Amino acid sequence: GEDVEQSLFLSVREGDSSVINCTYTDSSSTYLYWYKQEPGAGLQLLTYIFSNMDMKQDQRLTVLLNKKDKHLSLRIADTQTGDSAIYFCAESRGGSSNTGKLIFGQGTTLQVKP
Amino acid sequence: KAGVTQTPRYLIKTRGQQVTLSCSPISGHRSVSWYQQTPGQGLQFLFEYFSETQRNKGNFPGRFSGRQFSNSRSEMNVSTLELGDSALYLCASSPPGQNTEAFFGQGTRLTVV
Repeated sequence: GEDVEQSLFLSVREGDSSVINCTYTDSSSTYLYWYKQEPGAGLQLLTYIFSNMDMKQDQRLTVLLNKKDKHLSLRIADTQTGDSAIYFCAESRGGSSNTGKLIFGQGTTLQVKP
Repeated sequence: KAGVTQTPRYLIKTRGQQVTLSCSPISGHRSVSWYQQTPGQGLQFLFEYFSETQRNKGNFPGRFSGRQFSNSRSEMNVSTLELGDSALYLCASSPPGQNTEAFFGQGTRLTVV
């Protein structure tokens, strides 16, 4: 199928780590993205990883990729209340146009409790 | 550098009308993609334009169309509006070259009544 799947909701305490999970479907080489959406706003690109990589770290964000299981995760260290938002996983399906067609998951709502 | 700019931010239209939404990409970006976001269907790809040509297309009816101008600005048009077209319409632009990042605008919130 074409679906990118995510869990819908995650609640954590401030200062804890958050792990948001995603599964994708395309078996060919592809880029995988994490976006953040705050209420009333557009999508903010957080990070991305190419499907031949295992891990990418960027400050508080760590992306892990399990190619065999087509599983992608986003770990946010030291989660803050400002991290409360909806997080979308996306897979590129545009062929040579890497970002031309993105398939998004349903989004995971992250709630950070003080 | 200015981000992706979408106009208008909010729009209310009546069923049966048509609407045109505008997107100005980040300076130097030549690829523009459009997405529809609704609570029920989530984020769905509409189409992508590059150098004034449609390069990719999603599964939307022919009432949804778009175009790109020589300055890379893009417009999308929806004709014969239906209540179900109420959504947040997002535009994204991508830089030339490796084309690995897509940057989104704030979106246009369309309400059809």
